[in-house]
Amino acid sequence: DIVMTQTPLSLSVTPGQPASISCKSSQSLLHSDGKTYLYWYLQKPGQSPQLLIYEVSNRFSGVPDRFSGSGSGTDFTLKISRVEAEDVGVYYCMQSIQLPPFTFGPGTKVDIK
Amino acid sequence: QVTLRESGPALVKPTQTLTLTCTFSGFSLSTSGMCVSWVRQPPGKALEWLALIDWDDDKYYSTSLKTRLTISKDTSKNQVVLTMTNMDPVDTATYYCARMNLAVAGKGFDYWGQGTLVTVSS
Repeated sequence: DIVMTQTPLSLSVTPGQPASISCKSSQSLLHSDGKTYLYWYLQKPGQSPQLLIYEVSNRFSGVPDRFSGSGSGTDFTLKISRVEAEDVGVYYCMQSIQLPPFTFGPGTKVDIK
Repeated sequence: QVTLRESGPALVKPTQTLTLTCTFSGFSLSTSGMCVSWVRQPPGKALEWLALIDWDDDKYYSTSLKTRLTISKDTSKNQVVLTMTNMDPVDTATYYCARMNLAVAGKGFDYWGQGTLVTVSS
């Protein structure tokens, strides 16, 4: 199984400041079809996860442009350009190049200072 | 409008079989590219993918849980059912169903249900 790791596991950010989360996979997520199957989700407190970014860098419908994803191969980053209070929660990366199984990272908890 | 809703027992005893139903609307699981998965989350812990069924009735299971899981669909009822045998207290978790639409967000889960908490205890 592909193992996903995230750093840091927790992050405290001042509103208006940037934040960055790293995600690494144990194998390349680049498929022979040219796509890279790396996704980012946010789980706000008490809510279900919601899709933020698909295939490394594509923002899902309705996701603010302060969220951006980048990376390739096995190293990926989610950046929030200016953190807002509504961005608190746990961020997960997920790989879906290999099925089964899909695998999630351990999560990064983001809160506001 | 796409919605998914999980239903099933809130409490099961150890060794029992859990049956969960995901009832969805706003899409058809007979449409090419549509898939529904189950994902669980023990209290305070990370997400764990369990199983997926696609429009073509192909089924995929967690490597570690595949001997205990069965996923099926009833397209006419817009439902996906997950059964998990031999339940144990470590299976206590919130169970989510989620949709994948290959044409919209690739192999990402674009819509999730609200989740249902299942507690395993005697």
